[in-house]
Amino acid sequence: GENVEQHPSTLSVQEGDSAVIKCTYSDSASNYFPWYKQELGKGPQLIIDIRSNVGEKKDQRIAVTLNKTAKHFSLHITETQPEDSAVYFCAASIGGNFNKFYFGSGTKLNVKP
Amino acid sequence: GAGVSQSPSNKVTEKGKDVELRCDPISGHTALYWYRQRLGQGLEFLIYFQGNSAPDKSGLPSDRFSAERTGESVSTLTIQRTQQEDSAVYLCASSLVGSDTQYFGPGTRLTVL
Repeated sequence: GENVEQHPSTLSVQEGDSAVIKCTYSDSASNYFPWYKQELGKGPQLIIDIRSNVGEKKDQRIAVTLNKTAKHFSLHITETQPEDSAVYFCAASIGGNFNKFYFGSGTKLNVKP
Repeated sequence: GAGVSQSPSNKVTEKGKDVELRCDPISGHTALYWYRQRLGQGLEFLIYFQGNSAPDKSGLPSDRFSAERTGESVSTLTIQRTQQEDSAVYLCASSLVGSDTQYFGPGTRLTVL
């Protein structure tokens, strides 16, 4: 089955700096890659996703890049703010109806004011 | 509109007891997923429902775990004869047919003493 690895496990940045979280996956059939943000005591919330037919997607301060050849994808957060502090999870799936996600182990991001 | 809800939010039980965890998906979402999140780790897939049937139970850790769904709505995850290693947050997610996006509930934190 699919195996998703995520790095780093913790990341501390100064407010205003950029943060980058990286994930690799093993199954070349995976074609949908969401990123979730989980705040303390809450369920994960989708923040951005990318499909295998594109290499990059941006949404304001958040961007995701995908390298299908190397089987890795990354989350980029620019101009970080204290409210970006949370645990971020990447996931991979084959996509389509009723597909299960394989999650990375999570990155705890701490943005220092 | 209302999101995915789960109850109870917290459950403390003694080893050997049975527990039932409930998930109410977003209205109209045909797909429903259960995940387990151990402390400091990513989410592990347990089972998903397509309507009221469960085509993929491959993630259930043992025969002590079972789940059902009725009326293409509420789902119950049952853990029999709980063990300490069952302690985790159990998350439920739902999605529309044809959509990759899964919406997560806040989870149930299960502690087995």
